[in-house]
Amino acid sequence: GAVVSQHPSWVICKSGTSVKIECRSLDFQATTMFWYRQFPKQSLMLMATSNEGSKATYEQGVEKDKFLINHASLTLSTLTVTSAHPEDSSFYICSADRQGSINEQYFGPGTRLTVT
Amino acid sequence: AQKVTQAQTEISVVEKEDVTLDCVYETRDTTYYLFWYKQPPSGELVFLIRRNSFDEQNEISGRYSWNFQKSTSSFNFTITASQVVDSAVYFCALSEDDYKLSFGAGTTVTVRA
Repeated sequence: GAVVSQHPSWVICKSGTSVKIECRSLDFQATTMFWYRQFPKQSLMLMATSNEGSKATYEQGVEKDKFLINHASLTLSTLTVTSAHPEDSSFYICSADRQGSINEQYFGPGTRLTVT
Repeated sequence: AQKVTQAQTEISVVEKEDVTLDCVYETRDTTYYLFWYKQPPSGELVFLIRRNSFDEQNEISGRYSWNFQKSTSSFNFTITASQVVDSAVYFCALSEDDYKLSFGAGTTVTVRA
């Protein structure tokens, strides 16, 4: 149990276009989902915390207008990278906090974004 | 300020050697959680262990063991009799009262046959 999926697993897009990444908890409900970004050979950096039915909370330095997060249901959160640029190329990973549990985050397999 | 410090950037060992990964954390909270994750080349994070601040018992799971010492704010991880499949990046992470995870920089472990 406690499986989190991400779609797509990888995507290549042209500079200036927008890309949407989906994060789904497949067998549990998640009140809270987290979005991380990982550059090559670096650690994971938290971008934002997404709560179902409310606005996401962004970490300092993360542009909320560029990285749009929607958490429309207890099993789905989406991250849209708007007007993508090459510097947005990264590995994006989501995690879901199981509803009713204390601090049990389950990670998705990640989405590799390349902006050309 | 860095909340989780993994001083070792890379460790290379020969198969069957033991390897210990250091993790030092910093927090003012009395309730917190510590984690270790493995990230193989595929990129998917693999959960290894979660420990809360009130449980200082050391833990062993197969070839893996963890040593939690609140007195030195450390949560070290040892792989015994390493295998090539253990080659990966290992991350230590801290979660405080807001449940956000702060990751260390990671330690790349290379196990040579």
